[in-house]
Order: sequence, then structure tokens, then C-alpha cells
Amino acid sequence: NAGVTQTPKFQVLKTGQSMTLQCAQDMNHNSMYWYRQDPGMGLRLIYYSASEGTTDKGEVPNGYNVSRLNKREFSLRLESAAPSQTSVYFCASLRGSDSSYEQYFGPGTRLTVT
Amino acid sequence: AQSVTQLGSHVSVSEGALVLLRCNYSSSVPPYLFWYVQYPNQGLQLLLKYTSAATLVKGINGFEAEFKKSETSFHLTKPSAHMSDAAEYFCAVNPRTGANNLFFGTGTRLTVIP
Repeated sequence: NAGVTQTPKFQVLKTGQSMTLQCAQDMNHNSMYWYRQDPGMGLRLIYYSASEGTTDKGEVPNGYNVSRLNKREFSLRLESAAPSQTSVYFCASLRGSDSSYEQYFGPGTRLTVT
Repeated sequence: AQSVTQLGSHVSVSEGALVLLRCNYSSSVPPYLFWYVQYPNQGLQLLLKYTSAATLVKGINGFEAEFKKSETSFHLTKPSAHMSDAAEYFCAVNPRTGANNLFFGTGTRLTVIP
């Protein structure tokens, strides 16, 4: 079991460029999430997908789009990158509606927008 | 509205001393509560969780936390700090509504002094 994987690990973009961050999980989880982590602000939810075929906005969705490609994969797209999107991005998946409610996190993608 | 407050963005303790990291939450219903640890340049790892069972929760690496509803607190403790405990710690709340997404505190960086 690889758990939650993210690609790429690092990325540098110029303002206005676009890119897609990839996330995949092999735990058969229904729900998946994208967070961004900024110094002194903890993690904030960008988008989530409660199940295959559904996506919803989180706390900070502006400037991002997502696709739940299938049950395993949940991608995050920056259409026109801005310096304010410099951050570390984490993907997570949820074990499910049992007593656990534990989210499993990927290793993160460090994005710098110049 | 849900929120998590972690008092103290930086905490320093001597090796072998008590570790106490504070977390207070606000939630309209009794939430599920989590502590995650993040080592440098890594993702988040679950330390422990409270999901309506015993109020004193034991986690990995000798950490424990006590859910106190009357104080809306979920402080993290460890009797004796080890050098390997140096990391950033995040408290998070799942308000048990909707998508089961997590609301994170801003984090506490723990330094262990030899």
C-alpha cells in the first residue's frame, strides 16, 4: 500500500502559467481533499470530493479547479498561477463513515510562483 | 462556526521535561478531534484522535490528550520529551457535519533542548 501519493514534489511556475497537481490513493477511500499550508496559518481546505463524481468548494477555492477522475484520483488545477498561490499543497483521503474519521495525508507538493 | 485555537506558536522544553501543547476548539456539536505531527519537509502523521469514546486518548510515541467538554479543550501531553519529538504539531477538528473535512489550528512548533 502506497497510501496517498502526490506528484510533483516540487514545482516552480511563473505568474500566469498553469499546472495540475496530481493525487492518488490506493486505500479505496470515498472522500478526498486538497489543503494548502502557509506559514502561521495551518492547513486550509481548498476543495473536497465526498465521493466519486462530486466536488465542492472549501475555505479557499478561488484560483483553483479540481477533478475527481475516478475513485482513486483527485487533481488540483491552477489555471493562471499567482504569487499568492505559493504554498505547500497536501492531498488527503478519508477512511470513511466509521468510528475512525481519520484523514490520511500525502507527502505534499511545494509550489513556488515567481 | 468551527475553529481551533492553539496557544503558543513555539514551545521549548528540555529533554526529559513534560510536553504540554494547548488546543481549544469551538463547535456547534461535539466534534471529533485530532492531533497531527509534521516533521520537517514531510506530510502530516496522525498522533491520536478522539471520536466519542474514552475522553483520555493515548496515541503514538507516548503522547496522550484529554477531551474536556466543559473547557472545550483537547491538550496534548507527553510526560518526558525526547529529542525526536521536535516537530510541528497541529490540532484539528472534524465538526461532524457535511464532508468530514478538518479545520486546523495554526500549529505549534516544539523545540527540545538537550
